[in-house]
Amino acid sequence: GAGVSQSPSNKVTEKGKDVELRCDPISGHTALYWYRQSLGQGLEFLIYFQGNSAPDKSGLPSDRFSAERTGGSVSTLTIQRTQQEDSAVYLCASRPFPGRQFFGPGTRLTVL
Amino acid sequence: QKEVEQNSGPLSVPEGAIASLNCTYSDRGSQSFFWYRQYSGKSPELIMSIYSNGDKEDGRFTAQLNKASQYVSLLIRDSQPSDSATYLCAVNQGNRDDKIIFGKGTRLHILP
Repeated sequence: GAGVSQSPSNKVTEKGKDVELRCDPISGHTALYWYRQSLGQGLEFLIYFQGNSAPDKSGLPSDRFSAERTGGSVSTLTIQRTQQEDSAVYLCASRPFPGRQFFGPGTRLTVL
Repeated sequence: QKEVEQNSGPLSVPEGAIASLNCTYSDRGSQSFFWYRQYSGKSPELIMSIYSNGDKEDGRFTAQLNKASQYVSLLIRDSQPSDSATYLCAVNQGNRDDKIIFGKGTRLHILP
């Protein structure tokens, strides 16, 4: 079956612009995670959705970052007024509960 | 903020030798522990999970957990050049099986 997919695979934007990153989880997975990975760094937790519960937004670095998950499936991570320090690979993972995480290929964001 | 600590490396190990990767965590309530392998430019992939004290073996990989010392390790026997990658330690946060925190990873280089 299909794995976790993310789009776009690469995004180059200018400082101050808004961007939207998309994640399509594996069908039936109730949990969805967003992580950020800067060059040479580990995975920084951003936000987590589990079923119909309120998302855990404790990792979002600023109010410029937001995410939603529609219909318990597709998720969109939005970064408003992008800054150069937002440049990173944004990884999405989904997970059946209980079960292990499956990662998508990531979106490489470059803010000029 | 609960933390997961790893030596960033690089750790250089001769081909055929045992590679030993270490991780410490700060949350005494953690119950689930994972090792992910990440090749350069790729997404993390789960290689081992461990939930109870002691050793867990899977092929050339052995995960070791010591909850009293808050320490988890990964041993790779008969190291191969294809094992060269970054290894990420991940731990669930407290009694929340759903929230998983990652370390920054250890870069492993197997010398042919």
